[in-house]
Amino acid sequence: DAGITQSPRHKVTETGTPVTLRCHQTENHRYMYWYRQDPGHGLRLIHYSYGVKDTDKGEVSDGYSVSRSKTEDFLLTLESATSSQTSVYFCAISVKGLSSYNEQFFGPGTRLTVL
Amino acid sequence: QKEVEQDPGPLSVPEGAIVSLNCTYSNSAFQYFMWYRQYSRKGPELLMYTYSSGNKEDGRFTAQVDKSSKYISLFIRDSQPSDSATYLCAMSGRGGSEKLVFGKGTKLTVNP
Repeated sequence: DAGITQSPRHKVTETGTPVTLRCHQTENHRYMYWYRQDPGHGLRLIHYSYGVKDTDKGEVSDGYSVSRSKTEDFLLTLESATSSQTSVYFCAISVKGLSSYNEQFFGPGTRLTVL
Repeated sequence: QKEVEQDPGPLSVPEGAIVSLNCTYSNSAFQYFMWYRQYSRKGPELLMYTYSSGNKEDGRFTAQVDKSSKYISLFIRDSQPSDSATYLCAMSGRGGSEKLVFGKGTKLTVNP
């Protein structure tokens, strides 16, 4: 699992409430990513980070913000959760291999339900 | 047209069958082509990656990339019930620090 943990693993919340998901890695990798996975859409990138305090938007960033104050933690915040944000959220890290290819390893996922 | 197209299936085969999974893409800048396997309620795990065109083999799995046709394939020989999972293709322009673009995934069931 490349030392990636996500918390919480499951969460049920109500529309309009703020929600923060945490991704933690133990190996000081520079790149971290947040994806969401939905039936019929596959995996879509929300935000990614290329270092402490360095983040950028992905394909589906509206309604989400991120923060990375430490190398090991990448937080995803839903400022005001909506039912359309019900999804499974995956964190990933990028690990440099022997070749020029950097493999992405995924965490176990957080299943979020917004009622 | 989405950048990456993948038939979601589902695909059901008998044990021992040869399985062919495919993706097409539209962005000619893609250089790295990956196949991920995802078991139910788990995170995706990388099966294989290929750089540019050509074939790559790893045990029962073979990945093929045809950049001229913008078409990639994953073949599974002698399929096993343990191969039952969702298979996702993914692509990037450089070595993985680039953002990955995923297909929707194909759900495969191998029946004993």
